[in-house]
This record gives sequence, structure tokens and C-alpha cells, in this order.
Amino acid sequence: EAGVAQSPRYKIIEKRQSVAFWCNPISGHATLYWYQQILGQGPKLLIQFQNNGVVDDSQLPKDRFSAERLKGVDSTLKIQPAKLEDSAVYLCASSFAGTGVDEQFFGPGTRLTVL
Amino acid sequence: AQSVTQPDIHITVSEGASLELRCNYSYGATPYLFWYVQSPGQGLQLLLKYFSGDTLVQGIKGFEAEFKRSQSSFNLRKPSVHWSDAAEYFCAVGPLPGTASKLTFGTGTRLQVTL
Repeated sequence: EAGVAQSPRYKIIEKRQSVAFWCNPISGHATLYWYQQILGQGPKLLIQFQNNGVVDDSQLPKDRFSAERLKGVDSTLKIQPAKLEDSAVYLCASSFAGTGVDEQFFGPGTRLTVL
Repeated sequence: AQSVTQPDIHITVSEGASLELRCNYSYGATPYLFWYVQSPGQGLQLLLKYFSGDTLVQGIKGFEAEFKRSQSSFNLRKPSVHWSDAAEYFCAVGPLPGTASKLTFGTGTRLQVTL
């Protein structure tokens, strides 16, 4: 079974530039998550989708971050414009049903460096 | 609000020695508790989880964890560490009843294994 795919794996940009990350979840998984993991910290949930609807985006900085999952499968996370403090690893995860007992499967992440 | 504390930022053990990683949580109800492992350049992999029942939980790779409600702890243990166990370990709690499947992660413990 293929795991969660993410691209690119690494990205270096200058502040005020834009960047987009892509995630393809495990086939059949209804729920998709984007996490931000800053160096030295645990992952923090940015947004959770159930199919193509947003379940939780309470910690997403909506003035600069946006995410979509148009067909309920793959998803993109965009930052526009980027700030220095956005340097982090962006993890995508998926789960089958999105309940509390559901295991989340994580992709390898995209490491973003903002100069 | 739910929170997780991992008091040890970095631990070094010799190969073959026993291991215990500490995790304390703050939670308003019966918790769901998880331990994840993250190897360099990889996503997070679930080691084990506790929802209810037997307070001693067995996981993959020879790991186990014990839920102690009186101490608000969920410590991870392994009787004999292998060099391949060197990684970062995250404890997580969640979600609150009636909410989406949001996990709150601790800041992680980096495990170094000496030969």
C-alpha cells in the first residue's frame, strides 16, 4: 500500500515570496491533515479536511496561508507571502475516517527554509 | 485545554540498555494517548496508542507504554534498545470528546544510542 506522498521535499525561498506544497493521501482516506513542525517543537495542526470540506482550521494563519482539497483527494497548502518564522517542516497526514481513534499516517514532509 | 509535556529534550543510552521516555498530559476527560517516532527525514510513525482498558499497551518494535491516571503519565519503555531506535519520539493526546480528531503533540525527546 502506497503511503502519503508529499512534494517537494525541500524548498528554499526568500521572505515575501510565495510557495505551495502538494500532498496525496493514502487511497480511500477521507481525512487529510496539514501540520507545521518548527524545529524543536512537536507538530501543530494547521488544517483538517474531511473529504473536500474543512473540519478545523483554527490554527491556520489565514492572512497568508491557504489550503484546498478540491476533489476530496490530493491537497495543496500555499503560503503567500512567506515570513522568516514560516521556516519549518510541513507534514501531511491522512486517516480513514477522521474519528478520534483513527490512526493518522504521515508523509515525509516538506522542509521549508525562508531566507 | 489539552497539553502534553515531555520533560527530556535529549536522552542518550547504550545499545542493549533499557529505555524510558517520559510523557505527562493535561486533559479534561479520559484521554486518547499516542506515541510516535520520527526518524531523520521521515514522517511520523505510530508506535502505540491507548484508548481504554488494559493500562499497559504493547506497540511495534518492542515498545510498550503504561497509562497511569493518578500521575497523568504515559511513559514509553523498551527493555533493550537497538542502534536503529535512534530517532525523535513524540507523545500526543487527543481529541476532546465531540471534537474533530485533533492531536496535541509534545515537544519531543531525541534519543541517541551509543554502541
